[in-house]
Amino acid sequence: EVQLVESGGGLVKPGGSLRLSCAASGFTFSSYSMNWVRQAPGKGLEWVSSISSSSNYIYYADSVKGRFTISRDNAKNSLYLQMNSLRAEDTAVYYCATGPPLVSWGQGTLVTVSS
Amino acid sequence: EIVLTQSPGTLSLSPGERATLSCRASQSVSSSYLAWYQQKPGQAPRLLIYGASSRATGIPDRFSGSGSGTDFTLTISRLEPEDFAVYYCQQYGSSPYTFGLGTKLEIK
Repeated sequence: EVQLVESGGGLVKPGGSLRLSCAASGFTFSSYSMNWVRQAPGKGLEWVSSISSSSNYIYYADSVKGRFTISRDNAKNSLYLQMNSLRAEDTAVYYCATGPPLVSWGQGTLVTVSS
Repeated sequence: EIVLTQSPGTLSLSPGERATLSCRASQSVSSSYLAWYQQKPGQAPRLLIYGASSRATGIPDRFSGSGSGTDFTLTISRLEPEDFAVYYCQQYGSSPYTFGLGTKLEIK
């Protein structure tokens, strides 16, 4: 069974940094592209970033480009999102997901940016 | 960036009725890389349709997708009580892999 478990969320002040992790199991992690998708409270889905299986191709939404960095460690079956210069508008539940298309999703981790 | 416009914003129907949800792209979606997701409150989204018309594993055949280019449709042939949720389309043909704003399907 595919499992994706996000961690690392929490409360951070504007301008601060946070690193999210996504632990994958139940599939061959190194064969799949991975993504981060976020959802602000009461709002819709926003794709954040994508990384190919070997990290050769990396893409970002304009809203996070230059501030967020996606990475992965295939030996550890883990996906990461380093978030710097955080803003109030980055407050959201962050999901990791396989794909695209986004077949399997984690349950998300909440990031709150507030003073 | 490809902008996806979903309509209607809210759709009020009764169980047993047919639902038709629209997703229109600001430019052509390459290779019909268009997906539909269902999200219920407090849950992660679930993939329903990929490649515009292919059902994901385990998705009932009352869900169907159609369209190409800039116009796509999700149809639910006969609504079940568990189908009332929010539906999102997403294009993954070119980065950024944008989502539509969603259609809320509510019980009439």
